[in-house]
Amino acid sequence: QSALTQPASVSGSPGQSITISCIGTSTDVGGYTHVSWYQQYPGKAPKLMIYEISNRPSGVSNRFSGSKSGNTASLTISGLQAEDEADYYCSSYTNRNPRVFGGGTKLTVL
Amino acid sequence: QVQLVESGGGVVQPGRSLRLSCAASGFTFSSSPMHWVRQAPGRGLEWVTLLSYDGSITYYADSVRGRFTISRDNSKNTLYLQMNSLRPEDTAVYYCVRDRAMSFDSWGQGTLVTVSS
Repeated sequence: QSALTQPASVSGSPGQSITISCIGTSTDVGGYTHVSWYQQYPGKAPKLMIYEISNRPSGVSNRFSGSKSGNTASLTISGLQAEDEADYYCSSYTNRNPRVFGGGTKLTVL
Repeated sequence: QVQLVESGGGVVQPGRSLRLSCAASGFTFSSSPMHWVRQAPGRGLEWVTLLSYDGSITYYADSVRGRFTISRDNSKNTLYLQMNSLRPEDTAVYYCVRDRAMSFDSWGQGTLVTVSS
């Protein structure tokens, strides 16, 4: 199962908004609502930020939002803060394996 | 609160075996599907395997199918990963992860497995 496609890196200045894309196919992202996003700091375990395309777990800032259009899911971070600098991964249910991850995106806050 | 604590990692020679354990607490383990997810050094996340809440259904990534076996003991609130015929490319941090609402809801701190001669 091929990984979902994410940009290797994105950057933005404090206060700005950025969007990370996650491109799949009709057999994963496009075919299901089970798309989620994870934040990972170096040397730490990932943390769930968005589930079921656009739902935020309790305790996650409302600056994080998710959406989906066709085979592409997106994570938007508004009001960028220095603490948002991390790696971000998308994941989706697939029709072949229960889960697949994107390759990951490194977010740099300038 | 949810706690997942992995153990059993270490250095192992190619072709040998290793068993990882994950002790769960703070939630109803016997009701939760559980995953193992791994991350090779400097690389991205890779889903490895999923086990249903009662241990009756398993799924594996192609890269480990036939070599790895996931299991659980709900009486001990413990998840296992038996890894046989280990290869250098299996070198990674292995995370025990709870599944909730079809997402990776809670993660352990990870245990490092290094396959090297």
